[in-house]
Amino acid sequence: GAGVSQSPSNKVTEKGKDVELRCDPISGHTALYWYRQSLGQGLEFLIYFQGNSAPDKSGLPSDRFSAERTGGSVSTLTIQRTQQEDSAVYLCASSLAYWTVWQGEKLFFGSGTQLSVL
Amino acid sequence: GDSVTQMEGPVTLSEEACLTINCTYTATGYPSLFWYVQYPGEGLQLLLKATKADDKGSNKGFEATYRKETTSFHLEKGSVQVSDSAVYFCALSGGTSYGKLTFGQGTILTVHP
Repeated sequence: GAGVSQSPSNKVTEKGKDVELRCDPISGHTALYWYRQSLGQGLEFLIYFQGNSAPDKSGLPSDRFSAERTGGSVSTLTIQRTQQEDSAVYLCASSLAYWTVWQGEKLFFGSGTQLSVL
Repeated sequence: GDSVTQMEGPVTLSEEACLTINCTYTATGYPSLFWYVQYPGEGLQLLLKATKADDKGSNKGFEATYRKETTSFHLEKGSVQVSDSAVYFCALSGGTSYGKLTFGQGTILTVHP
């Protein structure tokens, strides 16, 4: 597609429910990233994929968080048993490959999913 | 691990004032350094970057110089406009960050007419 697409743009859920957030990267981009943006916390890295593999998932805050990527394209971030502290904007980004990012190439970001846990 | 520290905000300026947002980093090796900007209602986008020491990145009147001796990458603009109001993030890649970007906390800039 023309840009990184995320859905839904807004999600309101009740504490304890599971949610799925979707990211569709730019066509041809093999690397895909998830970040979380909270008030006062900046941009927190969660996980990245190269193809369907996740070389670095060190930022996932707990075992309630998981992510997968299939077919080297769409990725889903799943949060189980949501808590109020999970409320944040979840950003997805993509790039040609993780090594191009290492070499100084930019990430292309989506508009994010605003998650509110009541 | 790698880290990025930005000056605490928010920053409020009058139009045509000078801007400096401080950014320092901790990283091994020779990271690449970036400034990303998030305008109201828009997605995060790259503002400028520098990939080696002493390089200067510039875009839209903003500049930042990669200073390895002080591990800094301060963002500067000589005369800000209302349209520059946004959140600014300093970031790095490489070092132990390897294939991901490590971001600072972000600085909210508000420019008044």
